[in-house]
Formats: sequence, structure tokens, C-alpha cells
Amino acid sequence: DIQMTQSPSSLSASVGDTVTITCRASQTISSFLNWYQHKPGKAPKLLIYTASILQSGVPSRFSGSGSGTDFTLTISSLQPEDFAIYYCQQSYSSPWTFGQGTKVDIK
Amino acid sequence: EVQLVESGGGLIQPGRSLRLSCAASGFTFDDYGMHWVRQAPGKGLEWVSGISWNSGRIDYADSVKGRFTISRDNAKNSLYLQMNSLRVEDMALYYCVKERIVSGYYTLDYWGQGTLVTVSS
Repeated sequence: DIQMTQSPSSLSASVGDTVTITCRASQTISSFLNWYQHKPGKAPKLLIYTASILQSGVPSRFSGSGSGTDFTLTISSLQPEDFAIYYCQQSYSSPWTFGQGTKVDIK
Repeated sequence: EVQLVESGGGLIQPGRSLRLSCAASGFTFDDYGMHWVRQAPGKGLEWVSGISWNSGRIDYADSVKGRFTISRDNAKNSLYLQMNSLRVEDMALYYCVKERIVSGYYTLDYWGQGTLVTVSS
């Protein structure tokens, strides 16, 4: 199975900060990498697919990059509604696997 | 508007069976693969199982293989998860999720609100 490792596991940031979350796959996954945002009590929300394509309706302050084994999610000018848990997920091969999550909270 | 509504969760004893259902609307159900993803209390997201539009491709996580069965009824716009031999570690919020394929790349673009499965004696 492909292991997905996110870093950091958690971070504290202020409104207006730029935040970067990294995700590393245990083997190459091309661009089969998606990012999700999850808030307590709500359904997870797709942010980025195919490593770098912004899902419709997602603010442009979210961006993704990378291919192969190393990927990043960047949130520019963090907004109050962005405090949540972020997950990467590979769809290169079954079983699909998620990273352990990165919790972004308020400093 | 895409809607995915899960049902069938509840309190169940270890070793027993439970069947989850997901009612889909707002899209052409039989055009898309579907998945179940779960989140155990205090844990992250875990992919459980997926099924293609015509049930021709079915996959499972190792943790549920041989115990869970995914199925769909395209005439009823419904997805199911039959869970047998339930274990305490299966306790989680189970999400029904729609798949999307873009240029050969797979993603999970719409999620339901989830149904809670509690496994306890």
C-alpha cells in the first residue's frame, strides 16, 4: 500500500499568514494527488485535484503543486474560515490512502 | 445540487452485521463511481471501498476485505455497504462519496454528511 505522510501534523497561524503543508508519498504517484478540507461536524470538501487544479468554487488563495512523491498545499493570506484539518489523498492505486491530516488552528 | 444522504448507522454489538445505504440525487448516478470513506473517533480519514459505475470494478481496504461488501442499485440511485463481523475498530462515521474522473485522474468531489456506526457490547 502507498503511505502518505503529511507535515506538519499541526500548525498555528494568524489571519493573513501564508501556510504551507507538505505531503509525501512512499512511492511515485504521478499527479494522482488530491487535497481536502475538513471542519468539525461538516462533510470534507475537495480543494485541489490532480495535484494542482483548483476545484470549482474554491478561493484562489488555495494552491497545490508537486508531482511524483512530493506535494504541497499553500494557503495564501489565511482567512478565519480556513482553520480546519487538511488531508492529502492518493488515487494512483488501490487501496486509496489519505495522509494523517494537518490541523491548522489560530495562533 | 448533488446530495448524498447516508442511513443505516447505529449501535451494534461486535460480531454482528449492519447495512449502510446512501441515497444519491442531483446527478446521473449511473455515470459515476462511488466510495465509502470513514473516520473513527479522534482519527483521520480512511478510504474503505469503491465501486465503478457498472459494478465492474470493486476495491476494498485491507482492513475490511472479506468482511464488507459494497454494492449499488443504479435503478434506485443507491449505494450500499454490507458490514459483517463488525469489530470495535470499525466504529466510525461513514461517508458516502461521489467519484469524478478528469483526464484519467480520480478524485472524490462530493461527500455526504455521514452515518455513525458504534460497535460496542
